[in-house]
Amino acid sequence: DQQVKQNSPSLSVQEGRISILNCDYTNSMFDYFLWYKKYPAEGPTFLISISSIKDKNEDGRFTVFLNKSAKHLSLHIVPSQPGDSAVYFCAARRLGGNNRLAFGKGNQVVVIP
Amino acid sequence: DTGVSQDPRHKITKRGQNVTFRCDPISEHNRLYWYRQTLGQGPEFLTYFQNEAQLEKSRLLSDRFSAERPKGSFSTLEIQRTEQGDSAMYLCASSWREGGYNEQFFGPGTRLTVL
Repeated sequence: DQQVKQNSPSLSVQEGRISILNCDYTNSMFDYFLWYKKYPAEGPTFLISISSIKDKNEDGRFTVFLNKSAKHLSLHIVPSQPGDSAVYFCAARRLGGNNRLAFGKGNQVVVIP
Repeated sequence: DTGVSQDPRHKITKRGQNVTFRCDPISEHNRLYWYRQTLGQGPEFLTYFQNEAQLEKSRLLSDRFSAERPKGSFSTLEIQRTEQGDSAMYLCASSWREGGYNEQFFGPGTRLTVL
């Protein structure tokens, strides 16, 4: 079963505007969440993470918000740049789970210059 | 470059053949993971090593699959008697066990096509 869900598989946004990616999870044992970016023919690249004891983490243009009660997190990219065009994966780690990650299906983001 | 490397990048084989992939993690990382990604899906966990010990295997890892990490450095993933359903991108990742939270760094993957 899909424990990490990313709906709206694709998103188009104008350069300079905000990109918002959403992720929902079902397993209440998840305690650490990550976002990865993937370009074609490359492996996923770590972007930003958040632990379950926080509700926000910010790194430059990237901010991740976590709502534990709703089992929901989101990634905000401000301002969006053409180089941000990629597939974005939400991933989660279960407490005591050997650090194995459960991934969503990904969101394709296209930033239009 | 000191990132995770994988070899080969692409492999085309006929059904029933055996294939072996190699992963070289970041040198100081003691944890190594294998994932599989099929079209339109996110990576799915296959197996995990801490040093040379294989500590966890997914039920996705059938008995045709075997992974090793003999000296706690590089790892190999072998698929015996390949089937068309094995066609996928096989990703290797590594991390360092320090503290509670460790992001995994991924290699470029090996794309397997079974004809």
